[in-house]
Amino acid sequence: GENVEQHPSTLSVQEGDSAVIKCTYSDSASNYFPWYKQELGKGPQLIIDIRSNVGEKKDQRIAVTLNKTAKHFSLHITETQPEDSAVYFCAASIGSNYQLIWGAGTKLIIKP
Amino acid sequence: GAVVSQHPSWVICKSGTSVKIECRSLDFQATTMFWYRQFPKQSLMLMATSNEGSKATYEQGVEKDKFLINHASLTLSTLTVTSAHPEDSSFYICSTSEGGDTEAFFGQGTRLTVV
Repeated sequence: GENVEQHPSTLSVQEGDSAVIKCTYSDSASNYFPWYKQELGKGPQLIIDIRSNVGEKKDQRIAVTLNKTAKHFSLHITETQPEDSAVYFCAASIGSNYQLIWGAGTKLIIKP
Repeated sequence: GAVVSQHPSWVICKSGTSVKIECRSLDFQATTMFWYRQFPKQSLMLMATSNEGSKATYEQGVEKDKFLINHASLTLSTLTVTSAHPEDSSFYICSTSEGGDTEAFFGQGTRLTVV
């Protein structure tokens, strides 16, 4: 079955710098790759997603890139701010009738 | 996006008692509801998938008689932890979506502590 690996487990960056979190997936049939942000004591919230027919997607300071050949996708956050501190999860799905497979999560710490 | 309201946000119960967690979909017909368990500093572990009006499908290793799921309507799904023990202490989160390749909407989560 599908397996999603996420790195690093913890990432500490200086405020204003960029942060990059990477995920790899095992099933080449996967076609949907969302990223979720989870703040302490809350449920995850979608921040950006990408489908397999697109190589890159950007939304203000957040971008996601997908390399289908290498089976990996990355989250890029530029000009980081204190409110970006949270746990970020990547996930992958084969399609509508399949569940999301989650990465282990990355704790992002923004240092003032 | 859809709003999923989960209650309670936290609960402390005595060992051996049962606890019910409710998940309400306020503006979305939640045909399918996913129930997750999350231990500190760990990822989301899918416990079960419930479809409205039918029995839930449990993941391997999850005791269906211990974690009772009811999904009687398109707006309400409940998870009951029966005969709770300290090892059941965890963060439980519900989620719904229109499919595996669309945005998943999560409840706020329930912190269960069994003493």
